[in-house]
Amino acid sequence: AQKVTQAQTEISVVEKEDVTLDCVYETRDTTYYLFWYKQPPSGELVFLIRRNSFDEQNEISGRYSWNFQKSTSSFNFTITASQVVDSAVYFCALLSGYSTLTFGKGTMLLVSP
Amino acid sequence: DTEVTQTPKHLVMGMTNKKSLKCEQHMGHRAMYWYKQKAKKPPELMFVYSYEKLSINESVPSRFSPECPNSSLLNLHLHALQPEDSALYLCASSQDQFGNRDSYQPQHFGDGTRLSIL
Repeated sequence: AQKVTQAQTEISVVEKEDVTLDCVYETRDTTYYLFWYKQPPSGELVFLIRRNSFDEQNEISGRYSWNFQKSTSSFNFTITASQVVDSAVYFCALLSGYSTLTFGKGTMLLVSP
Repeated sequence: DTEVTQTPKHLVMGMTNKKSLKCEQHMGHRAMYWYKQKAKKPPELMFVYSYEKLSINESVPSRFSPECPNSSLLNLHLHALQPEDSALYLCASSQDQFGNRDSYQPQHFGDGTRLSIL
C-alpha cells in the first residue's frame, strides 16, 4: 500500500521568510516517483518537480529546493524568501509500480505581505 | 496556459440535467484521467484511460460516464447528479499510466471545471 503524509495542514508566514513543507511517504516498491504540485486558488494543479527513487540528489530551482532522503522516507520542499504569489495549496504525491498516483492531504501556505 | 484544456470552466446544472465535461491534450500522451476534488481535499481519482481503453474505474456511480473518443479527447458525461457531486473536476494526462518505467513523466493537469449542482 502507498501512503503520503503531509502533517502540516496550514502554514502562515510573512513575505521573505523561508518555509519548509514536509512530506513523508510509504511504499514497498523499490522503484517509485515522488512529485510536488502547487494548486493556487484558480484551481489548476501545477507540476513542480519529479524525483525517482534512485536519484537522491537534492535539487534547487530558483527559490525552490527539494530535499529527498530515502533513509527517512521524506521529500521536503523549501521555499526561500517567500512571496505572496507562493500562497497556494501544495500537494506531495507518490507513484509506484502499478498503483495510481497517491496524494497527500496538502499543505495550505499563506504568505502575507 | 496549461497543455491540458478543459471546458467549460464553470457549470451549474440541475439534478435532472444532462451535461458533458470535455478535456483535450495534444502532447501525445496515452493515459488520461478524471479526478474529483472537494474543497480543502486532495484530488480523488475517478477514471483512467490507457491507450483509449478504460483502465481503472474507482467505483464511481453510474451517473458519471466517461468516454474517450480518441487519444486526445476525454469526456465525462453527467446525468442525474446529486448536490454532493458539486466539486472541481480535474482532467490530467501522462505519457504512460504506470510508474514502473525508468523515465515516467508526470501527470499534467488542466484548470478544472467547477461544477455546482442545484
